[in-house]
Amino acid sequence: QKEVEQDPGPLSVPEGAIVSLNCTYSNSAFQYFMWYRQYSRKGPELLMYTYSSGNKEDGRFTAQVDKSSKYISLFIRDSQPSDSATYLCAMSEGSNFGNEKLTFGTGTRLTIIP
Amino acid sequence: GAGVSQSPSNKVTEKGKDVELRCDPISGHTALYWYRQSLGQGLEFLIYFQGNSAPDKSGLPSDRFSAERTGGSVSTLTIQRTQQEDSAVYLCASSSTFLAGFTDTQYFGPGTRLTVL
Repeated sequence: QKEVEQDPGPLSVPEGAIVSLNCTYSNSAFQYFMWYRQYSRKGPELLMYTYSSGNKEDGRFTAQVDKSSKYISLFIRDSQPSDSATYLCAMSEGSNFGNEKLTFGTGTRLTIIP
Repeated sequence: GAGVSQSPSNKVTEKGKDVELRCDPISGHTALYWYRQSLGQGLEFLIYFQGNSAPDKSGLPSDRFSAERTGGSVSTLTIQRTQQEDSAVYLCASSSTFLAGFTDTQYFGPGTRLTVL
């Protein structure tokens, strides 16, 4: 079993819909939780960053972390065709040196249909 | 400013050959990471360099893989005697380091797509 599980999709939703992306994990030592967006043939770019449990909102994006359930989510409101990409969750235990050794999910491929 | 750059963008090689992949991190970033992205596998950590400290090589899959970082900047990932299972996208990332050793967000390059025939 992988440390981080993520449904690979693909997921297709109409423009304007709310998108929900999720990851589960097994390592209780994970403290830092991130969501990356990756367009085709590009490197991942950081979308959201959360430490420990709770919610964080940034524009149309909301990240949620529930450490008791080992479950994280990313919500995208008013989805746009430009949101079409692969979304990767990532986690790290953290230490004195911060966020080295990220453990990634496999990524969910999302398509927003105009 | 310029982001992380990697070269070549694509590399096709024959089984058994050695390959070198290059990463130029963002100027001033002291931390540098290599990851491998295989189809359906997500990103897999390979190696981590932090300043002048000994690198964390715990993710390297075999002794055919090695990496070095010269002058605290450019890094080269070398794969010896390539195998077909080495085919993947190799991604490099860099991050800055704050006081007390905490590292910032990892910024990724576009990757090198390696195909071993």
